[in-house]
Amino acid sequence: SAVISQKPSRDICQRGTSLTIQCQVDSQVTMMFWYRQQPGQSLTLIATANQGSEATYESGFVIDKFPISRPNLTFSTLTVSNMSPEDSSIYLCSADGAGKGQETQYFGPGTRLLVL
Amino acid sequence: TQLLEQSPQFLSIQEGENLTVYCNSSSVFSSLQWYRQEPGEGPVLLVTVVTGGEVKKLKRLTFQFGDARKDSSLHITAAQPGDTGLYLCAGRRNFNKFYFGSGTKLNVKP
Repeated sequence: SAVISQKPSRDICQRGTSLTIQCQVDSQVTMMFWYRQQPGQSLTLIATANQGSEATYESGFVIDKFPISRPNLTFSTLTVSNMSPEDSSIYLCSADGAGKGQETQYFGPGTRLLVL
Repeated sequence: TQLLEQSPQFLSIQEGENLTVYCNSSSVFSSLQWYRQEPGEGPVLLVTVVTGGEVKKLKRLTFQFGDARKDSSLHITAAQPGDTGLYLCAGRRNFNKFYFGSGTKLNVKP
C-alpha cells in the first residue's frame, strides 16, 4: 500500500487568507484526488489532480477558489483561497495506482482547517 | 442525490452482536471498496472487490460484491468495541474517479 502524508495536519486561519495543503506519496501514482469532509460525514470530491495538466473539478468547486498543482507523479497541493468560516472542514488527499492494481485508493491523514 | 446509498446511517450495538451494512446503487461499478475511518484520521482501506459475486473475508468481516456489480454488503460477526468507527463504501466507474456512499456510523458498546 502507499504511504501518503499531508502538511499541515491542522491549522487555524483568519477569514480572507489562503492556505496551501501539501500531499506527498511515497511512490509514483496515476491519479490523485482531493476531498472535503465534515466530521463524521462522507467525503465530497473536490477535484482530480492531473499530472501535467489542469485539475478536473467537480460541480460546485472552481479553480479560483481551490487551485491545485500536480508537478510530478508523487506530489500535489491544494490551496483554499480567500477563506471563510464555511471552508472549515477536513481536507483529504488520496492516490491510486499504488500497490496492487489501480482499483484502490489510499488516503492521507487529512488536514483539519478552522477558519475564524 | 448520492450514487451510492448506505444503510443504516447509524448503528449502536452491544459487543458480541452481528451486523450488516449495505451499499446500494442503480449503477454498475468496476470495483468497490470499503473503508473504516476513526476520528482524527483518514479513511483506511479494508477491502477492494472487483468481480461480481465475489466474497472476501477479513477475520470477522465478510464483504460481498453483488452479481451485477451494483451493490455490496459488509457483515461483521461478534462485533468488538475496536470495530467502532465510520464505515464508507466507494465505487469506481470506468477506471475514473471514486463515488462515496453516505457512510455508516457504528458504535459497539462494551
